[in-house]
Amino acid sequence: QVQLVESGGGVVQPGGSLRLSCVASGFTFSNYAMHWVRQAPGKGLEWVAFIRYDGTDKHYEESVKGRFTNSRDNSRNTLYLEMNSLRAEDTAVYYCARGYGGYTDQYYYYYMDVWGKGTTVTVSS
Amino acid sequence: EIVLTQSPGTLSLSPGEGATLSCRASQSVSSNYLAWYQQKPGQAPRLLIYGASSRATGIPDRFSGSGSGTDFTLTISRLEPEDFAVYYCQQYGSSHWTFGQGTKVEIK
Repeated sequence: QVQLVESGGGVVQPGGSLRLSCVASGFTFSNYAMHWVRQAPGKGLEWVAFIRYDGTDKHYEESVKGRFTNSRDNSRNTLYLEMNSLRAEDTAVYYCARGYGGYTDQYYYYYMDVWGKGTTVTVSS
Repeated sequence: EIVLTQSPGTLSLSPGEGATLSCRASQSVSSNYLAWYQQKPGQAPRLLIYGASSRATGIPDRFSGSGSGTDFTLTISRLEPEDFAVYYCQQYGSSHWTFGQGTKVEIK
């Protein structure tokens, strides 16, 4: 069945780094755009990053620009989120989600149709 | 950035009752690219509605979405015990995706 499994979360000190992974199965990963979405403890959902199906275009939420890097290895069916200069406010459950939809000349319109169970990142000294 | 405001924050209802959840956008949502998700405690979100009114695969027909432009509604016709959860709207028509803050539907 269609499945996304995140890993790589943990406890890290402020200013530290972490790399999250998301392994896809049950569908042709290389055909789909992907998102990262996070949820701080007791809070709502926040979109973090997007990557096109072929990895040639990426978008980020403003607060993570320059600190987080979204990438993918289609030969390994794996999505990555490299997180640097971590802050306490980055503490959250991080979900990867499959993007479904399309694009125009001006924007992408991918909603999130399949979600992983998430991996927890805690930034604390 | 399109800001989505959901109301009410909490809805206290009994099983069998109907629920109406609102989502208002700070500017018009392109082509009604508006989705609704359900999230239960300790679980990942689940897609319910996309394109403002299309039900996702496997979603019961007691869930329906409507609206256009800046005002959208999720309606649950008769609440089942498994429907008590938090619901989020999301716009996906700007290459900068945003969510509403959520509406909690709780058992009265």
